[in-house]
Amino acid sequence: RKEVEQDPGPFNVPEGATVAFNCTYSNSASQSFFWYRQDCRKEPKLLMSVYSSGNEDGRFTAQLNRASQYISLLIRDSKLSDSATYLCVVNNHYSGNTPLVFGKGTRLSVIA
Amino acid sequence: GAGVSQSPRYKVAKRGQDVALRCDPISGHVSLFWYQQALGQGPEFLTYFQNEAQLDKSGLPSDRFFAERPEGSVSTLKIQRTQQEDSAVYLCASSLERGGDRATDTQYFGPGTRLTVL
Repeated sequence: RKEVEQDPGPFNVPEGATVAFNCTYSNSASQSFFWYRQDCRKEPKLLMSVYSSGNEDGRFTAQLNRASQYISLLIRDSKLSDSATYLCVVNNHYSGNTPLVFGKGTRLSVIA
Repeated sequence: GAGVSQSPRYKVAKRGQDVALRCDPISGHVSLFWYQQALGQGPEFLTYFQNEAQLDKSGLPSDRFFAERPEGSVSTLKIQRTQQEDSAVYLCASSLERGGDRATDTQYFGPGTRLTVL
């Protein structure tokens, strides 16, 4: 079993739709949580960090449930430009000098 | 400012050849990571440097893989006697890592080197 598991894709949604991605992690000692976005043939880029209190950045909302070891990402009012692969990522330490552990990614296609 | 750069962007090697992949981290970044991303998978950790010290190489899949960062800036990942299963995108990431400050811990990724072993 992989340490970070994500919803299988792809998700094909119309413009304007709301879409939610889910992720679970197996290491209860994980400390930091992120969503990265990866466009086709590009490098992963940090979309947002995820905090226990939940956090929002424009149309994007991330939630963390430590008890259930569950992370979510909600995208409201989907745009064509949101089409990408979304990677759920954990870090088993607070500091940046430890490797990130990535999920397999969930592919999103927003259709006009 | 300049981000993480990697070269070459694409590399085709015949099975058995040695390859060297280069990473130029963001200037001043202390931490440097190498990841391997196979097709349809998320990146997987290979090795980590803090300045010139290789502190973790637990992700290197075999002794054919070797990485160095002799002066604490540029890093090279070398793969000897390449095999078809080495075909992947090799990503380099760096972080400022001032210690305990989340704002400086973000890992920034380079564009990757796509290695194809025939």
